[in-house]
Amino acid sequence: GAGVSQTPSNKVTEKGKYVELRCDPISGHTALYWYRQSLGQGPEFLIYFQGTGAADDSGLPNDRFFAVRPEGSVSTLKIQRTERGDSAVYLCASSLALAAGTDTQYFGPGTRLTVL
Amino acid sequence: AQRVTQPEKLLSVFKGAPVELKCNYSYSGSPELFWYVQYSRQRLQLLLRHISRESIKGFTADLNKGETSFHLKKPFAQEEDSAMYYCAAFTGAGSYQLTFGKGTKLSVIP
Repeated sequence: GAGVSQTPSNKVTEKGKYVELRCDPISGHTALYWYRQSLGQGPEFLIYFQGTGAADDSGLPNDRFFAVRPEGSVSTLKIQRTERGDSAVYLCASSLALAAGTDTQYFGPGTRLTVL
Repeated sequence: AQRVTQPEKLLSVFKGAPVELKCNYSYSGSPELFWYVQYSRQRLQLLLRHISRESIKGFTADLNKGETSFHLKKPFAQEEDSAMYYCAAFTGAGSYQLTFGKGTKLSVIP
């Protein structure tokens, strides 16, 4: 079946602009995650959804970042007043949210965001 | 703070040589540990998890609680093993977030 998809694959914007990044999880996966990966770093957790609700948003760096998942499937990560430091690859993952060690997160290809 | 450390940014080995990618963690309790791999132009994918005690593509990883390590090993490296490898930990406690190390780039020299 189809894996996790993310659009756009690349986004270039200017400092101060607003951007939206979209994630389509694997059908039937109740859990959805957003991570951010800066150059030379591993992915860093941003937010986790279980169904429609944000179960853990402790990784969001500040209130310019917001994410929604209104129908429990597609999710949108929204960044307001973008800054150059927001430039990174934004990864989305989904899973069945099984018991801890047995759960597998499936990753999308990422959206490369560049803020000029 | 919870942390996963991969001390090597780059590891180069010759084809057929043994491989060991190091991973150390600092957590209270018993985290669930994983290795993820990213091949060139592909997405990040799970390689193996410690709870399964499995061997995938010839790779194994043993959890050493005394040394708080979860090193990834393979006895004979293949060219197709060249990739970025990330160690990750999941601590549960109501959240499914993974904490990743910075990654090690493995380069297998033919």
